Amino acid sequence: DQQVKQNSPSLSVQEGRISILNCDYTNSMFDYFLWYKKYPAEGPTFLISISSIKDKNEDGRFTVFLNKSAKHLSLHIVPSQPGDSAVYFCAASLNTGNQFYFGTGTSLTVIP
Amino acid sequence: NAGVMQNPRHLVRRRGQEARLRCSPMKGHSHVYWYRQLPEEGLKFMVYLQKENIIDESGMPKERFSAEFPKEGPSILRIQQVVRGDSAAYFCASSLLGQGRNTIYFGEGSWLTVV
Repeated sequence: DQQVKQNSPSLSVQEGRISILNCDYTNSMFDYFLWYKKYPAEGPTFLISISSIKDKNEDGRFTVFLNKSAKHLSLHIVPSQPGDSAVYFCAASLNTGNQFYFGTGTSLTVIP
Repeated sequence: NAGVMQNPRHLVRRRGQEARLRCSPMKGHSHVYWYRQLPEEGLKFMVYLQKENIIDESGMPKERFSAEFPKEGPSILRIQQVVRGDSAAYFCASSLLGQGRNTIYFGEGSWLTVV
């Protein structure tokens, strides 16, 4: 049962434009959400997180938006750069739990 | 290097052999997680350990797989009598906290190929 879903397996964006990666979840008890970036043959790298008490968190070019009523979060990258080309995973956790539930990833390609 | 260290990075085993994957958490972290990524799939939770204790192994296959995190030394994920379906990337992660609004940091991964 996939509790965290990334329905777009891939996304292509022109350099300098905005990249928007989406993630949906089913468990309304999820309390904390994270985004990771992964290059081939490497481990996932933590990018940005947001707790359920917020609806937006920003770090440089990366902004995460959380819509709890829709059980949806998104990652915005502005402006997109070729080095951003990677697979992006969203993840969620429960306040009382120790598992992190990951989506299946979205492969982002930023075209120079 | 203060990051999560995994070794070996690549491991080839014949069917029926044993695979041992090691993970040293980030400095100061005492919580370790193992995840597996099968080809074309996302990251699947396997097990969560603290020093000398398995806290949650709900994602571990019931047979052939075991994990430990001894008082001294790295965490070890052990796969006995490997089969082709065990071929995957195994990622270890560590965290400062055990739960709550907690961030986990991953190692580079160990790629197991069963031939």
